[in-house]
Amino acid sequence: AAGVIQSPRHLIKEKRETATLKCYPIPRHDTVYWYQQGPGQDPQFLISFYEKMQSDKGSIPDRFSAQQFSDYHSELNMSSLELGDSALYFCASSLRSWADTQYFGPGTRLTVL
Amino acid sequence: DAKTTQPNSMESNEEEPVHLPCNHSTISGTDYIHWYRQLPSQGPEYVIHGLTSNVNNRMASLAIAEDRKSSTLILHRATLRDAAVYYCILRFTPDDKIIFGKGTRLHILP
Repeated sequence: AAGVIQSPRHLIKEKRETATLKCYPIPRHDTVYWYQQGPGQDPQFLISFYEKMQSDKGSIPDRFSAQQFSDYHSELNMSSLELGDSALYFCASSLRSWADTQYFGPGTRLTVL
Repeated sequence: DAKTTQPNSMESNEEEPVHLPCNHSTISGTDYIHWYRQLPSQGPEYVIHGLTSNVNNRMASLAIAEDRKSSTLILHRATLRDAAVYYCILRFTPDDKIIFGKGTRLHILP
């Protein structure tokens, strides 16, 4: 079965650079969630989208923005990167009517030097 | 937000049942109890969820106390592949975001 696809899987950036992470949800899923997991920490919710509209917002820095496109894929844009942004970024998707289950992607490991 | 409390870590022998406890004494009447797990170097994975009644699926069973202040995830026959961090999570609505707590790190001994 198709799973959530995230790209790139690994990304290395310098401080103050920008990064764009992409998430392709499971086909027909209409809701996307973004989570950040720092080293040795538990995943933290950043933001979610339902039908291309922001549906919830967590601890997402103002330097970050995200959107969901007409094909339901989502992009997380990160600017003015800081060392503390180094983390695993997970995307999850669900189908609203069966939204009790979120399916997570393999994550993008961002390293900021 | 209602909080959950889980043991930091647990150990179990391979091929034996595992009971992972979770306390949620401030749970509201509409909170759903979800369990996710995260295997090493992977994204979290849905395990099971329930509201009031005990639930079974191919991965595990969820036993919910009658007062809903606690629950137990039961892995009937642990394998090495079940070694992971298990998160007990309360969600106000089925499509609510997931707020991960500390979770229980489960070690499986061969």
